[in-house]
Amino acid sequence: AQSVTQPDIHITVSEGASLELRCNYSYGATPYLFWYVQSPGQGLQLLLKYFSGDTLVQGIKGFEAEFKRSQSSFNLRKPSVHWSDAAEYFCAVGPWSSASKIIFGSGTRLSIRP
Amino acid sequence: DVKVTQSSRYLVKRTGEKVFLECVQDMDHENMFWYRQDPGLGLRLIYFSYDVKMKEKGDIPEGYSVSREKKERFSLILESASTNQTSMYLCASRPDGALSYGYTFGSGTRLTVV
Repeated sequence: AQSVTQPDIHITVSEGASLELRCNYSYGATPYLFWYVQSPGQGLQLLLKYFSGDTLVQGIKGFEAEFKRSQSSFNLRKPSVHWSDAAEYFCAVGPWSSASKIIFGSGTRLSIRP
Repeated sequence: DVKVTQSSRYLVKRTGEKVFLECVQDMDHENMFWYRQDPGLGLRLIYFSYDVKMKEKGDIPEGYSVSREKKERFSLILESASTNQTSMYLCASRPDGALSYGYTFGSGTRLTVV
């Protein structure tokens, strides 16, 4: 069955430090992969996506993610976090047909230490 | 700017009431989705629709129904609200055929059932 695992429920990093949020997936074929961000009280905003080509993808707000097929991972990174990056981050996989759905991980909450 | 609009940001309803959550998108998307979001559980799919008057159950449809009479509007109905339906509800949409597109989300409706 298709699934997405975000092993870290909550991460705290210092402002200006680097960030890596982990995401592992289980999927039968080359997946479509996404990272979304949710600011407090808001809906989800697409940060970046991967579906083919270069395995390092750039997104908005200075984020990037690397697809590693051998590790079934799609980790999100940022070289230097800002206080405004405090939010919840969701990794997602799919869809695999035009009438199907995306599967979301359970999310990682990011806090920023001043 | 394309948009998914949820009619209410906050709702407080009484146990046993029939509750309607409305979602409208202006992007001519075929697919629309209702999720609920609870701490530690991520996003769970309630229902989705891939065409007018078409609907499919998601992972947690019990206690909910949906209506899609027009392409742009997808309504979630709580037939008899219960306190365990207190949650954040997120609507999303996606165009058909663009599998890499990802979802566009609304800002969410935080429902409290008392």
